[in-house]
Amino acid sequence: DGGITQSPKYLFRKEGQNVTLSCEQNLNHDAMYWYRQDPGQGLRLIYYSQIVNDFQKGDIAEGYSVSREKKESFPLTVTSAQKNPTAFYLCASTVPGATDTQYFGPGTRLTVL
Amino acid sequence: GNSVTQMEGPVTLSEEAFLTINCTYTATGYPSLFWYVQYPGEGLQLLLKATKADDKGSNKGFEATYRKETTSFHLEKGSVQVSDSAVYFCALNPYNFNKFYFGSGTKLNVKP
Repeated sequence: DGGITQSPKYLFRKEGQNVTLSCEQNLNHDAMYWYRQDPGQGLRLIYYSQIVNDFQKGDIAEGYSVSREKKESFPLTVTSAQKNPTAFYLCASTVPGATDTQYFGPGTRLTVL
Repeated sequence: GNSVTQMEGPVTLSEEAFLTINCTYTATGYPSLFWYVQYPGEGLQLLLKATKADDKGSNKGFEATYRKETTSFHLEKGSVQVSDSAVYFCALNPYNFNKFYFGSGTKLNVKP
């Protein structure tokens, strides 16, 4: 089955540590996205990538970094510079184009202890 | 600029009641419009979409019509079920542009 996988489902980290969230898709989509969702809030765009080896900052990129070395993979690193990293992180992908749907992974809940 | 505004929740209804969740948008060009649903602890799932003015998207008893004259895409369902309890997001994708814009979400609670 085609889809987007995110791992792990739950992640705990100590304050001051970097942590990397995984996102993999086998939909052959060119574009991939990372969003952050806080309780009772909407989605805020962190980073997005339209093609391999290229990515752009979203609305809240500070304290985060990404890489896009393969079409299938778009890992997100939450660095110690991110002041309030506890949140639900969602990865998504799409085929470029106005009519195309954005597909989402199941999400990773990050908790900083 | 591009933005989506949807009604604040939570919306609480009894089973079999009629549902409307309002969504209006601002966009450059001719965007595609979407409704997504999120169940607790999960990612977003596409519920329905419409790609041009006057199109009606429909799925699982939900429907929404793309109204260019009122820049709206309201979500409706004639008879809600307890299993429809979730958060609903309205979103747009501007034409030929690869960034999506989401509303803040509306939580729906359906009571038996």
